[in-house]
Amino acid sequence: SQKIEQNSEALNIQEGKTATLTCNYTNYSPAYLQWYRQDPGRGPVFLLLIRENEKEKRKERLKVTFDTTLKQSLFHITASQPADSATYLCASGGYGNKLVFGAGTILRVKS
Amino acid sequence: GAGVSQSPSNKVTEKGKDVELRCDPISGHTALYWYRQSLGQGLEFLIYFQGNSAPDKSGLPSDRFSAERTGGSVSTLTIQRTQQEDSAVYLCASSLDGLAGGPGREQYFGPGTRLTVT
Repeated sequence: SQKIEQNSEALNIQEGKTATLTCNYTNYSPAYLQWYRQDPGRGPVFLLLIRENEKEKRKERLKVTFDTTLKQSLFHITASQPADSATYLCASGGYGNKLVFGAGTILRVKS
Repeated sequence: GAGVSQSPSNKVTEKGKDVELRCDPISGHTALYWYRQSLGQGLEFLIYFQGNSAPDKSGLPSDRFSAERTGGSVSTLTIQRTQQEDSAVYLCASSLDGLAGGPGREQYFGPGTRLTVT
């Protein structure tokens, strides 16, 4: 079955720098990957979706890549701000829109 | 418009009791999902409803867990004879649709119900 692996260690970066988060999938190439943001005590909030045939997707300060050779997606936040501090979840999707989530990576942006 | 709502926000129950968790999806969304999130863990898929189709129950961990969706809207997740390992945050999400081979709709999550079994 599909497994989504995200770095379990928190990522600490300085304000203004680019944060890069990694998502690896272990099995078949999913039809798409989704990225969500989750703040403490709240449900996840959708950020971006990238399809298998797309190399890169951008939205404001966010950029996602999908490399089917490496079985990996990278999530970038440019010009990071303390308000970007949260847990970021990667999820793979396919049949029936069921999502398989990774455990998430905590991002801390320090001013 | 209103987002996904869940109730109660917190539930403390004694081991062996039954609990019901409620989810009100966004109006017009035909797909509804239940997930479970344990501390420091990712979201674990439980069950998925799409329109009038039979639900996908492949993620339910045991027969103590069941869910229904009435009138294509509100959903209730029931846990019978609760155990301590059932303690977690239960999250509900809805999306426009969840069709096989579809475009992959984003899911809108509720705030969750924190269940504590003592």
